[in-house]
Amino acid sequence: GESVGLHLPTLSVQEGDNSIINCAYSNSASDYFIWYKQESGKGPQFIIDIRSNMDKRQGQRVTVLLNKTVKHLSLQIAATQPGDSAVYFCAASAGGYNKLIFGAGTRLAVHP
Amino acid sequence: EAQVTQNPRYLITVTGKKLTVTCSQNMNHEYMSWYRQDPGLGLRQIYYSMNVEVTDKGDVPEGYKVSRKEKRNFPLILESPSPNQTSLYFCASSFKTGVTDTQYFGPGTRLTVL
Repeated sequence: GESVGLHLPTLSVQEGDNSIINCAYSNSASDYFIWYKQESGKGPQFIIDIRSNMDKRQGQRVTVLLNKTVKHLSLQIAATQPGDSAVYFCAASAGGYNKLIFGAGTRLAVHP
Repeated sequence: EAQVTQNPRYLITVTGKKLTVTCSQNMNHEYMSWYRQDPGLGLRQIYYSMNVEVTDKGDVPEGYKVSRKEKRNFPLILESPSPNQTSLYFCASSFKTGVTDTQYFGPGTRLTVL
C-alpha cells in the first residue's frame, strides 16, 4: 500500500544550527505535500506545503525541497531555536484530505 | 479565537463501555475529520465529513461511528471500546476538502481502554 516514511525517528541539533528532516513517499500520483509540527500535548500544526509542480518553497526560516524523481522531500529549518523542538512529520496527498497519507514523524531536539 | 476543541482530553475506560468524544470548531468549516495516532505510525484517518449529514469511512473505521448533525460538531462514538482502540485521537477541520485549505487540528484526546 501507499506509505510515507521518515528516515530518522530522532534528530538532535545545536541551537543556531540548520536542521534537515527527510521524508520519502511511495505513491507517484501524490501531488501535494505538507509538513506539520507537533509540540508535546498539542495537535499537529501546519508549517509549509508544496505542490508537485514545484521543487522548492520557502517560508519563514523553513524551506521544503521536493525531488519527484526519487520521491523524496525534506524540511530545512534555518538557525534552529529551542522553540523548534517538536515532532515533525510530512504528509502526501493524491487528491484531497481524505487521501492524505502521514509519515510517523521525526523528533527534533534542540540543545543549547 | 479560531479553534478546534475536543472533550475529554484524557479518558480511561473499560472494554465495552460506550463512549463519545466530542469535537467542535468555530470556523464554519465544511470538512471535518477524525484521526488516530499510534506510536511509530503516522496519523490514520478514521472517518471524515464533507458537510452536514455527509460522512464517509477513512482508512481505519472499524469500531467507530460518527455523526454530523450540525456544521460545527463532529462527535466520535465508540459503541463497544476494545483495548486496541487505546490511542491518541485528533479531530481536524478545514474550510473545504481541498488540501490547499489549511487543516486545523484539535489538541487531542488520549484514550485508554482497559
